Amino acid sequence: DAKTTQPPSMDCAEGRAANLPCNHSTISGNEYVYWYRQIHSQGPQYIIHGLKNNETNEMASLIITEDRKSSTLILPHATLRDTAVYYCIVRAFSGNTPLVFGKGTRLSVIA
Amino acid sequence: DAGITQSPRHKVTETGTPVTLRCHQTENHRYMYWYRQDPGHGLRLIHYSYGVKDTDKGEVSDGYSVSRSKTEDFLLTLESATSSQTSVYFCAIRGDLSSTDTQYFGPGTRLTVL
Repeated sequence: DAKTTQPPSMDCAEGRAANLPCNHSTISGNEYVYWYRQIHSQGPQYIIHGLKNNETNEMASLIITEDRKSSTLILPHATLRDTAVYYCIVRAFSGNTPLVFGKGTRLSVIA
Repeated sequence: DAGITQSPRHKVTETGTPVTLRCHQTENHRYMYWYRQDPGHGLRLIHYSYGVKDTDKGEVSDGYSVSRSKTEDFLLTLESATSSQTSVYFCAIRGDLSSTDTQYFGPGTRLTVL
């Protein structure tokens, strides 16, 4: 069963920030929030993950609410190449449990 | 990019024939996974391995078997292919207690069962 809820689709203008929300109200204390994306026909690609603090890397920022029940992935300056399906996943760190993918959010970046 | 290859990349076969897909890694990672992806279903886990000869079932394991006789190779076998197994198959690997604990995915195998 998917532990996360994401909107099925979103649009974003090229050059603007893309903010992708994710609800994970049943997240456990030892579970991290992971974000992956899948560009058409390719294998999924890791973006970022976090536990409770906000995280930033060269691809994106991850904002996690204080109660950890929701998070937002931010692509600061979306480009056409960011058009993809984005998956928000929760799982315990380094356990045997594999990633379980939901339906994700299809982000369309529009010129 | 992580060193993951899948073979074949494309295959067309007939119902009832056996099919084996291969996932090969050069990263010496402990964990390996097989997923299938179908329209409307997203990615679904078939089987995974947490070490040589250690495997477990995923969400959609019926009709599939796996083997891992060495760290670098994870084989997915369809003993008797059916049209419902037409799909894109992705292999993934993950290290053990790596700093990012991320899964890296292969390029996929597109299988068509006629």
